[in-house]
Amino acid sequence: QKEVEQNSGPLSVPEGAIASLNCTYSDRGSQSFFWYRQYSGKSPELIMSIYSNGDKEDGRFTAQLNKASQYVSLLIRDSQPSDSATYLCAVPWMDSSYKLIFGSGTRLLVRP
Amino acid sequence: EAGVTQFPSHSVIEKGQTVTLRCDPISGHDNLYWYRRVMGKEIKFLLHFVKESKQDESGMPNNRFLAERTGGTYSTLKVQPAELEDSGVYFCASSRGLVETQYFGPGTRLLVL
Repeated sequence: QKEVEQNSGPLSVPEGAIASLNCTYSDRGSQSFFWYRQYSGKSPELIMSIYSNGDKEDGRFTAQLNKASQYVSLLIRDSQPSDSATYLCAVPWMDSSYKLIFGSGTRLLVRP
Repeated sequence: EAGVTQFPSHSVIEKGQTVTLRCDPISGHDNLYWYRRVMGKEIKFLLHFVKESKQDESGMPNNRFLAERTGGTYSTLKVQPAELEDSGVYFCASSRGLVETQYFGPGTRLLVL
């Protein structure tokens, strides 16, 4: 059974701080990792994908992957109140369907 | 480009009734997925279509759930008869290619009383 684990939070940070969101996964063979952002009542939106060990930066977002530790994280620099949302870690099952296995999500609150 | 759309946005039905959810994927997307999030749990896969064919329905909870994708365009997910534990948010997602980004719809919030 493939599993993706996240701390449900809420994670509360002040505006301008760095928010750090963490995710662990059980399948050592996983090759792709995604971070989705979901505002309340809205659809999950892909914000970052990472495939190789190390860091990947996109604007204020940095994804970090450590395959040896089976750990992927998302850093949000200069956090804004508009970043307040639930962040979902997702790992695709590498079979004929490429279905996504989701963590339960971490709720982030950015305090003005 | 229009996103994935789902209808209805909300549905409240009584136990034993039938409900049909609809998903319109992004035009040109061959892959269509149904997922479900029940209260307090993570989003879980239900099934996957490639065009009109069911590729993987390993996540369907039981035979009360029937999914179709007419002509490889829109898809419907019917629950008959609905049970209390079917309550949750049903998401549809689509992708152009198998390993490409899955774009999600806003979901249908189903409440079975």
